[in-house]
Amino acid sequence: GESVGLHLPTLSVQEGDNSIINCAYSNSASDYFIWYKQESGKGPQFIIDIRSNMDKRQGQRVTVLLNKTVKHLSLQIAATQPGDSAVYFCAENNAGNMLTFGGGTRLMVKP
Amino acid sequence: ETGVTQTPRHLVMGMTNKKSLKCEQHLGHNAMYWYKQSAKKPLELMFVYSLEERVENNSVPSRFSPECPNSSHLFLHLHTLQPEDSALYLCASSQEAGTGANVLTFGAGSRLTVL
Repeated sequence: GESVGLHLPTLSVQEGDNSIINCAYSNSASDYFIWYKQESGKGPQFIIDIRSNMDKRQGQRVTVLLNKTVKHLSLQIAATQPGDSAVYFCAENNAGNMLTFGGGTRLMVKP
Repeated sequence: ETGVTQTPRHLVMGMTNKKSLKCEQHLGHNAMYWYKQSAKKPLELMFVYSLEERVENNSVPSRFSPECPNSSHLFLHLHTLQPEDSALYLCASSQEAGTGANVLTFGAGSRLTVL
């Protein structure tokens, strides 16, 4: 079946550096993508989304890039802070279906 | 209260017990969901309700029984569970179900341990 997956299970970065979390998807019909952040003891929280008619979208300190040619999604976090430490999930959707989640990447920020 | 609220936050039960998880959303959404989150596995969709009607059931064992009495409340009734059912159970809601740009708002989850 089609699936969404993450390349790296754990990413460790120095405070102040930029972080890049990657995600591969295999369903070429997916037209909407979301990144979620899950901190310890909490449920996933929406960070940013992007539609398939875009290749880049920026938020506050976060940027999502979509490369439909290679079916790749990435989340960039600028000036990573200790509060960014969490598990990050990508999810894909296509009209009429439910969100499919990837396995998650743990981001650890070193002071 | 705002957002999606789940109770209890932690639950320990024996395999012969009957318990229920509760979820309440204050967002005016029409769709509600139960997800299971196990260690090292992607989030698994269990049930979806849209306007109180079940629209999806992802081959979940009958020992899990959902109930949606209205669009703001969702329950997951648990009966004769197995130790492998121990997990974090997440409730979520969204404006609609099964549409393209479908942002889910999650609760904090109920951590279930089955002894």
